[in-house]
Amino acid sequence: DIQMTQSPSSLSASVGDRVTITCRASQSISRYLNWYQQKPGEAPKLLIYAASSLQSGVPSRFIGSGSGTDFTLTISSLQPEDFATYYCQQSYSTPPLTFGGGTKVEIK
Amino acid sequence: EVQLVESGGGLVQPGGSLRLSCAASGFSISSYWMHWVRQAPGKGLVWVSRINSEGSSTSYADSVKGRFSISRDNAKNTLYLQMNSLRAEDTAVYYCARGDNTYVDYWGQGTLVTVSS
Repeated sequence: DIQMTQSPSSLSASVGDRVTITCRASQSISRYLNWYQQKPGEAPKLLIYAASSLQSGVPSRFIGSGSGTDFTLTISSLQPEDFATYYCQQSYSTPPLTFGGGTKVEIK
Repeated sequence: EVQLVESGGGLVQPGGSLRLSCAASGFSISSYWMHWVRQAPGKGLVWVSRINSEGSSTSYADSVKGRFSISRDNAKNTLYLQMNSLRAEDTAVYYCARGDNTYVDYWGQGTLVTVSS
C-alpha cells in the first residue's frame, strides 16, 4: 500500500498569512493526489483533485502543486473560514484509498 | 443539491453487528462508485470499503475484510454497510461518500458507531 505523510501535523497562522502544507507519498503517484478540508464536527470537503485542479466552488486562494512523491497545498491568504484540518489522499493505486495523517491549521 | 444521510449507528457490544444505511438525494447513486470512510475519535480519515456502480465489484480495507460487507440498492438510491464481529477499534464516525473508484467528491455527515461493553 502507498503511505502518505503530511507535514506539519499542525500549524498556527494569522488571517492573511500564506500557508503551505506538504504531503509526501511513499512511491511515485504521478499527479494522482487529492486534498480535502474538514472543519470540526463536519464532513470532509474535496478541495483539489489531480494535484492542482480546483473543485467547483472552491476559492482560488487554494492552490495545489506537485507531482511524483512531493505535493503541496498552499492557501495564499488565510481566511477565518479556512481554519480546519487538511488531508491529502492518493488515487494512484487503489484499493486502498490512503489518506495522510492530516494537518490542523489553527489561529495564531 | 447532493445529499448523503447516514443512519444506523449506535452503541453495540464487542462481537455484535450493525447495519449502516446511507440515503442519497439530489443525484442517482447508480452512476457512481460509493465508499465508506471512517474516523476514530480525534483521529484521521481511514478508507473502509467501496462498491462499483452496478454492485458487482467490492473492495475492503484489510482491517475489516471478512467482517464488513458493502452493498447498494440503486432503486432505493441507498448504500449499506453490514458490520459483523465488531471490535473496540471499529469505534468511529462512519461516512458514506460518492466518487469514482479512486477518490470521493461528496461526503455525508456521518454516523457514530461505538463498540463497548
